[in-house]
Amino acid sequence: GENVEQHPSTLSVQEGDSAVIKCTYSDSASNYFPWYKQELGKRPQLIIDIRSNVGEKKDQRIAVTLNKTAKHFSLHITETQPEDSAVYFCAASTLGSSGSARQLTFGSGTQLTVLP
Amino acid sequence: DTGVSQDPRHKITKRGQNVTFRCDPISEHNRLYWYRQTLGQGPEFLTYFQNEAQLEKSRLLSDRFSAERPKGSFSTLEIQRTEQGDSAMYLCASSLGGLTDTQYFGPGTRLTVL
Repeated sequence: GENVEQHPSTLSVQEGDSAVIKCTYSDSASNYFPWYKQELGKRPQLIIDIRSNVGEKKDQRIAVTLNKTAKHFSLHITETQPEDSAVYFCAASTLGSSGSARQLTFGSGTQLTVLP
Repeated sequence: DTGVSQDPRHKITKRGQNVTFRCDPISEHNRLYWYRQTLGQGPEFLTYFQNEAQLEKSRLLSDRFSAERPKGSFSTLEIQRTEQGDSAMYLCASSLGGLTDTQYFGPGTRLTVL
């Protein structure tokens, strides 16, 4: 089955700096990669996702890059703000023939702390 | 609130008791997923349904666990003869299926087995 590794486990940055979180996956058939943000005691919330036919996707201060050959993908947050502090999870999934995700395999999470 | 809802939010039980959790997905979402999350870890997939059909089950889902989605709407997850190792956050998610497959998570049910 799929295995997803995520680094670093903790990351502290100064407000305004950039943060980068990296994940690797093992199953070359995985072709959908979402990122979730989870604040303490709250539900995971999708912040961005990428499909394998795309190498990069950006949404305001957040971007994700995918290297299918190396089987790794990264989350980039620019101009970090204190409200970005949370645990971030990467995940990988294989899409079924209908285009729907079958299941998500999550990384172990990165605790991001943005220092004011 | 039109998001995924779960009930109860917290459950404390004694070892050996049975517990049942409920998940109400976003209206018209035909796919429903159950995950388990322990402290400091990412969610782990347990099972998922498309409409009322249970399409996949993880090896994590032992015989003591059973999930149903009888009418293709809400789902229940039952744990029989609970063990201390079952203590975790149980998360439910739903998606629309088709080309739109974003999974939206509920707030979870935190289970504590004493």
